[in-house]
Amino acid sequence: GEDVEQSLFLSVREGDSSVINCTYTDSSSTYLYWYKQEPGAGLQLLTYIFSNMDMKQDQRLTVLLNKKDKHLSLRIADTQTGDSAIYFCAESSQTGANNLFFGTGTRLTVIP
Amino acid sequence: DTAVSQTPKYLVTQMGNDKSIKCEQNLGHDTMYWYKQDSKKFLKIMFSYNNKELIINETVPNRFSPKSPDKAHLNLHINSLELGDSAVYFCASSRKLHNEQFFGPGTRLTVL
Repeated sequence: GEDVEQSLFLSVREGDSSVINCTYTDSSSTYLYWYKQEPGAGLQLLTYIFSNMDMKQDQRLTVLLNKKDKHLSLRIADTQTGDSAIYFCAESSQTGANNLFFGTGTRLTVIP
Repeated sequence: DTAVSQTPKYLVTQMGNDKSIKCEQNLGHDTMYWYKQDSKKFLKIMFSYNNKELIINETVPNRFSPKSPDKAHLNLHINSLELGDSAVYFCASSRKLHNEQFFGPGTRLTVL
């Protein structure tokens, strides 16, 4: 089955850039996503990228995709304390029922 | 104007009981999902439901059953609750051919 892996923890200082990494195994992945989960809250879609793209930028967020290595990263520029949350990488393919397969989540802690 | 809503937000019950969690989406989406997030924050797909076609993750016990009275609703029924069922359950929806999924706020189920 599909396997999506992330490191569990990341700490950065306020104002620095954060880079959260993700690797996946499904070579038929079509879409790759980043979700944010704040404490006690639901999942919020941050951004997504099609597998035929290398990079996508959206304000402070930059997504980089290395399809050859099946590696996805999310860079948050000028990280703020409000960015502290768990970030989930997810992937899906066009097969089956559109299921998303999630990584374990990376807990980002921003130190003031 | 909530896109995907779930009720209740919290559910505390005893082992052996039968309970339901409701999910409604007002996005006009054709596909709905249920996910389980365990204590380690790991998200797993439980069900996908699209145009009356149900796709079940084979690891889900048959005590769990989704029921869809109409396209906008996918309720989750759980029979004979067990301690291990304690988790946060997320509902999500997507358009039929569009992979972007929108999540509800989650229902925290605690089984005593």
